[in-house]
Amino acid sequence: QVQLVQSGTDVKKPGSSVKVSCKASGGTFNSYSISWVRQAPGQGLEWMGRIIVMFGKANYAQKFQGRVTITADESTSTVYMELSSLRSEDTAVYYCARVDPDMGFSWGQGTLVTVSS
Amino acid sequence: SYELTQPPSVSVSPGQTARITCSGDALPKQYAFWYQQKPGQAPVLVIYKDTERPSGIPERFSGSSSGTTVALTISGVQAEDEADYYCQSADTSGTYVVFGGGTKLTVL
Repeated sequence: QVQLVQSGTDVKKPGSSVKVSCKASGGTFNSYSISWVRQAPGQGLEWMGRIIVMFGKANYAQKFQGRVTITADESTSTVYMELSSLRSEDTAVYYCARVDPDMGFSWGQGTLVTVSS
Repeated sequence: SYELTQPPSVSVSPGQTARITCSGDALPKQYAFWYQQKPGQAPVLVIYKDTERPSGIPERFSGSSSGTTVALTISGVQAEDEADYYCQSADTSGTYVVFGGGTKLTVL
């Protein structure tokens, strides 16, 4: 059973960057595909991008191209999502999820990021 | 960019059947998954690969697929089923993941 544990709540200033971590346990880390999904208050789920750990290759939703970077550290079984040039509209809960092509998403607990001056 | 379309809301009385649809051009080629989300909680998978039900999900949850539309059906709805439901799939290439806008199920 794969478990994903995310870093804690964060508060950032507009224009700054945030880096959220997602530590995996159970299973074989380098076989994972990890996606990041965010949910603004009262809004739906929005896919941001994913990384296939084995290849170290990430791809991003068009909306976030150039502003988001997803990386993986195999030595610590941790995936990171960094979002730059933050604005108030980026206030959201950010989820990491392990993606199985047959079984869909298995979710972390979520990380609240608040962007406020 | 590719989109999945869901109705914003569905309302049913307890014991009735709720059907939530999700439409997208790539659905004939890509599997759909359904997630239930209750307030303050992470989503939970209720249907995978269009029609399969994970272990631990009640039998009243079922999925179906026809052309460019997939559907989640909840038979004999219970009060505890009140939640937001999201469909999820991918574009034709499988490269980009997409979620539907979500459907709020209200149990009257």
